[in-house]
Amino acid sequence: GENVEQHPSTLSVQEGDSAVIKCTYSDSASNYFPWYKQELGKGPQLIIDIRSNVGEKKDQRIAVTLNKTAKHFSLHITETQPEDSAVYFCAASIMDSNYQLIWGAGTKLIIKP
Amino acid sequence: NAGVMQNPRHLVRRRGQEARLRCSPMKGHSHVYWYRQLPEEGLKFMVYLQKENIIDESGMPKERFSAEFPKEGPSILRIQQVVRGDSAAYFCASSPHNTGEAFFGQGTRLTVV
Repeated sequence: GENVEQHPSTLSVQEGDSAVIKCTYSDSASNYFPWYKQELGKGPQLIIDIRSNVGEKKDQRIAVTLNKTAKHFSLHITETQPEDSAVYFCAASIMDSNYQLIWGAGTKLIIKP
Repeated sequence: NAGVMQNPRHLVRRRGQEARLRCSPMKGHSHVYWYRQLPEEGLKFMVYLQKENIIDESGMPKERFSAEFPKEGPSILRIQQVVRGDSAAYFCASSPHNTGEAFFGQGTRLTVV
């Protein structure tokens, strides 16, 4: 079955710098890759997603890249701000099937003032 | 359009009691997923339901745990004869179709004393 690995488990960056979180997946049939942000005491919130027919997607300060050949995808946050501090989860699934979202273990992002 | 609503937000039960967790999906969403999360850990899939059907319960313990999503009303996750190890945050997510675009509720934090 699918397996998703996420690195690093903790990432500390200076405010204003960029942060990059990486995930790899094992099932080449996976074609949908969302990223979720979870703040303390709250549920995960979908922040950006990408489908396998594109290689990159941007939304203001966040972007996601996908390399289907290497089976990895990454989250990029530029000009980090204190409110970006949270746990970020990547996931992978196959759209239009009963296949489940398979989750990475999470990355705790700490923005240092 | 209200988001995914979970109640209660916090639930305290004594060992041996029953816990009932409720989840009302977003309007128009017919797919519901339940996840469990321990502190500082990722999301663990428990069960995936569509209206009146359990699609995948591979992540749910076979004893003491049950889930339903009736034709009318919220989805219910029921834990019978709770034990201390059941203490966790339980999150519900819903999607309009099984494409993995899941939206999460705020969770129910269960504490077993």
